[in-house]
Amino acid sequence: AQSVTQLDSQVPVFEEAPVELRCNYSSSVSVYLFWYVQYPNQGLQLLLKYLSGSTLVKGINGFEAEFNKSQTSFHLRKPSVHISDTAEYFCAVSAGDTGRRALTFGSGTRLQVQP
Amino acid sequence: GAVVSQHPSWVICKSGTSVKIECRSLDFQATTMFWYRQFPKQSLMLMATSNEGSKATYEQGVEKDKFLINHASLTLSTLTVTSAHPEDSSFYICSARGGIRTGNTIYFGEGSWLTVV
Repeated sequence: AQSVTQLDSQVPVFEEAPVELRCNYSSSVSVYLFWYVQYPNQGLQLLLKYLSGSTLVKGINGFEAEFNKSQTSFHLRKPSVHISDTAEYFCAVSAGDTGRRALTFGSGTRLQVQP
Repeated sequence: GAVVSQHPSWVICKSGTSVKIECRSLDFQATTMFWYRQFPKQSLMLMATSNEGSKATYEQGVEKDKFLINHASLTLSTLTVTSAHPEDSSFYICSARGGIRTGNTIYFGEGSWLTVV
């Protein structure tokens, strides 16, 4: 079984400042890793994903994440945030040995961008 | 545009009645779809895995007779909340895996808000 830990429930940051949202996972098998964003009262939008290959993954809206196998982390970063980035961010993991597994989500991190 | 569509987006029903939520994959065939539930300000919890042509696999603690899942075709899965009660009010989200052609990307529907009064 897999699990995901998002240590920060809320991250306040000023506009145009850099931000890092932390995600750690545990799994006994290889994994796929994902970051999703959820705006108020909406569904989930995929920001980026790591399946294999380069450990630095670039996603939409200027976000990127780095897979670190030794630290079992997949932290999300953005060099300069905008007010519109205010949302809930979920890290998720899926077992990588099959394409049929569901996602296990972290508890979410609320990014609050202040002017 | 959306590749997984849910309907309805919002539904209000009376306590004791049943409500059906549909999840459709628009651009691909999905032998497996997943149903999640999300309470306000909380994460998504997997309810069940919907398998085309066979019974759904439910997570521990999820009542099979209350949350009926039917995956009758490769593009449609339905979740029926039977004898709904106010505590069933929640945000329900489905997802489907797009297969090798999409890099096994998991697509989510827009979600369905259920309010039981």
